Amino acid sequence: AQRVTQPEKLLSVFKGAPVELKCNYSYSGSPELFWYVQYSRQRLQLLLRHISRESIKGFTADLNKGETSFHLKKPFAQEEDSAMYYCALDLIQGAQKLVFGQGTRLTINP
Amino acid sequence: ETGVTQSPTHLIKTRGQQVTLRCSSQSGHNTVSWYQQALGQGPQFIFQYYREEENGRGNFPPRFSGLQFPNYSSELNVNALELDDSALYLCASSPPGGWDTQYFGPGTRLTVL
Repeated sequence: AQRVTQPEKLLSVFKGAPVELKCNYSYSGSPELFWYVQYSRQRLQLLLRHISRESIKGFTADLNKGETSFHLKKPFAQEEDSAMYYCALDLIQGAQKLVFGQGTRLTINP
Repeated sequence: ETGVTQSPTHLIKTRGQQVTLRCSSQSGHNTVSWYQQALGQGPQFIFQYYREEENGRGNFPPRFSGLQFPNYSSELNVNALELDDSALYLCASSPPGGWDTQYFGPGTRLTVL
């Protein structure tokens, strides 16, 4: 069955330190993966998607099919990065029927 | 451009009752998906509507049903409410050919007593 696992519910780092939010998936096929973010009092929004190979707000994520992972990384954390982060997998490519992980609450300490 | 809107914001019902939640998709979007987000969990896919037809369903019982209207707005109906239905219900819309693009509404918080 398709599944997304985010092993850390909470992650706290200091400003300027590197950040890595972990995401592992279970999917038989070629996965389509996303990172969504929810800032305080805002709605869920797309941060990045693996097929675009984008860097948004300094974040990148690389799909590792061998390790079935899609970890989100940023070399230097900023206080405005504090938010809830969700990794998601599309059940069918392009269908936008997403399976989400439990989420990781990231707190950046000054 | 107006974003995805949902109504009501909050709702309290008792077990066994029925509820209807509403979603207005973003202008020009013809696909609407519904998700249930229990406290402390990630969103779970309920179903998706495309051009007024159900276009895929997650692992939810038939008492969860929906509609999509010609203007692409949508309703989520839940019959015979159970305590475990208490959650945030999210609606998300996608544009035509919107590969990988989904825009979420603010959600409706449903409490079942």
